[in-house]
Amino acid sequence: QKEVEQNSGPLSVPEGAIASLNCTYSDRGSQSFFWYRQYSGKSPELIMSIYSNGDKEDGRFTAQLNKASQYVSLLIRDSQPSDSATYLCAVNNYQLIWGAGTKLIIKP
Amino acid sequence: DAGVTQSPTHLIKTRGQQVTLRCSPKSGHDTVSWYQQALGQGPQFIFQYYEEEERQRGNFPDRFSGHQFPNYSSELNVNALLLGDSALYLCASSPGQVQETQYFGPGTRLLVL
Repeated sequence: QKEVEQNSGPLSVPEGAIASLNCTYSDRGSQSFFWYRQYSGKSPELIMSIYSNGDKEDGRFTAQLNKASQYVSLLIRDSQPSDSATYLCAVNNYQLIWGAGTKLIIKP
Repeated sequence: DAGVTQSPTHLIKTRGQQVTLRCSPKSGHDTVSWYQQALGQGPQFIFQYYEEEERQRGNFPDRFSGHQFPNYSSELNVNALLLGDSALYLCASSPGQVQETQYFGPGTRLLVL
């Protein structure tokens, strides 16, 4: 059974601080990894994709992948109240497998 | 450039009825995936269509069926609705490669009474 695990939260972070979101996966054959953001009642929207070990930065967001540890994370720098949402990790090995999401709350 | 569109946005049905949900993919995308998302859960993969054929299927009963048309749009049909089918149904499109990023439509909120 292929699984993707995330801490459900909520994770509370002060405005301006760094939010760190983590995800582990069970299928070693997974080849691509995605972070989506989902506001309440809305559909998921893509934040970042990452395919190789290391860090990938896009504006305030940094995705980190460690295939040996089967671990992918998302860092959000200078957190804003508008970043408050549920963050979904998805792992692809011919099929997207989703975590249940981590609820992030940015406190003003 | 139109993104992924879905219709209807909301739907109320009663147990035992049948429902059809529709999806038009993003321009240039030929692969459509359908997901069910219950409240507080991550999306659960139902199936994926490519070149008018079901390419992959998740762990859903045969009550869930689909179709893809030559213009790449897709339908999700659910027969004999159960209360537990109440959920947000999401359509995502992507280019043909299975590893490509998927882009989601706004979803259809289905309530089964």
